[in-house]
Amino acid sequence: EAGVVQSPRYKIIEKKQPVAFWCNPISGHNTLYWYLQNLGQGPELLIRYENEEAVDDSQLPKDRFSAERLKGVDSTLKIQPAELGDSAVYLCASSHSGTGGAETQYFGPGTRLLVL
Amino acid sequence: AQSVAQPEDQVNVAEGNPLTVKCTYSVSGNPYLFWYVQYPNRGLQFLLKYITGDNLVKGSYGFEAEFNKSQTSFHLKKPSALVSDSALYFCAVRDSNTGGFKTIFGAGTRLFVKA
Repeated sequence: EAGVVQSPRYKIIEKKQPVAFWCNPISGHNTLYWYLQNLGQGPELLIRYENEEAVDDSQLPKDRFSAERLKGVDSTLKIQPAELGDSAVYLCASSHSGTGGAETQYFGPGTRLLVL
Repeated sequence: AQSVAQPEDQVNVAEGNPLTVKCTYSVSGNPYLFWYVQYPNRGLQFLLKYITGDNLVKGSYGFEAEFNKSQTSFHLKKPSALVSDSALYFCAVRDSNTGGFKTIFGAGTRLFVKA
């Protein structure tokens, strides 16, 4: 079984430029998560999808960040414009849904973003 | 509000010795507890979880963790460490009172196993 796929693995951009990250979850996983991981810290949730619906985006900085999961499968996270402080690793995870929190999340390798 | 603490930034242990990576948590309801491991330039990899039942949970690669409700702890253990266990370990908690959907991760503990 293929795991969670993310691309690109690395991205270097100049500040004020746009950037997009792509994630393809494990087949059959209805729930998809985007996390931000700063150096030396644990992941922090940005947004959670149940199928194509964003059910928790309270931590997503909506002035510059956006996400979509149009067909309830793969997802794109966008930053426009990027700021220096956005340099971090962006992790995507997926899980089965509907067991009230007991489900295991499976993570992709992440996209390491460097904003210059 | 739910929270999780990993009090040690780094744990050093000699190969063959037992290891413990500590985790304490705070939730208002029943906790769902997870341990993940992260190798360099890789995503988080699931090790084990506690949902309910037996307080001792066994997971991947010989790891186990013990849920202690009175001490609100979920320490990760392994009887005999390997050099290949050197990595970054994250404890995570979900609160059943909030529907269990938001996962809070600790800051991580770096495990260094010396040959």
